[in-house]
Amino acid sequence: DSGVTQTPKHLITATGQRVTLRCSPRSGDLSVYWYQQSLDQGLQFLIQYYNGEERAKGNILERFSAQQFPDLHSELNLSSLELGDSALYFCASSVVGGPGELFFGEGSRLTVL
Amino acid sequence: AQSVTQLGSHVSVSEGALVLLRCNYSSSVPPYLFWYVQYPNQGLQLLLKYTSAATLVKGINGFEAEFKKSETSFHLTKPSAHMSDAAEYFCAVSFSSSNTGKLIFGQGTTLQVKP
Repeated sequence: DSGVTQTPKHLITATGQRVTLRCSPRSGDLSVYWYQQSLDQGLQFLIQYYNGEERAKGNILERFSAQQFPDLHSELNLSSLELGDSALYFCASSVVGGPGELFFGEGSRLTVL
Repeated sequence: AQSVTQLGSHVSVSEGALVLLRCNYSSSVPPYLFWYVQYPNQGLQLLLKYTSAATLVKGINGFEAEFKKSETSFHLTKPSAHMSDAAEYFCAVSFSSSNTGKLIFGQGTTLQVKP
């Protein structure tokens, strides 16, 4: 158990809909990262927050947004969903904002029909 | 651009045989290097990491990796494979001079262990 909690574990929805994925980092960790894992793209970095502020941005679509709240949990919002958004979405956390070990949650599997 | 390449998307070994999973990186600044393992329907678990200390790094479950700057490599090895080692393995890099801890992952290598 990494200490990173993600909900929901599984989500099935239709094209055009909007979903919210939630992540609680390990106690004491200030950074939260979001990754997308798909068969064709592999593990892609989406975005990082550090202590409530956006720290780094990767290949995140404009239809996707994220935020980190004062209690340090984070949410990833996916809107106008397309079939290609079906993937496993991982949250990870770390103590610092810079380089170091990341601790991953078990992921949220999104299926868009 | 910084990147990670894992040679071989699928590696098959017999139980008790040597495991060698290859990883090469491209970086213009000193890297931090990591190997993660993903078991089916689970998240990623850290096996080991290199952060500019000893070049030979020992990790969990008998795995180790050697950082070779001249070859820009960080190959993962285990002397004797167990059935429980069957999983997907990811090499990842971050950069010591960066203000972000984001990891860039390789495409992954699926390890199959045959009895």
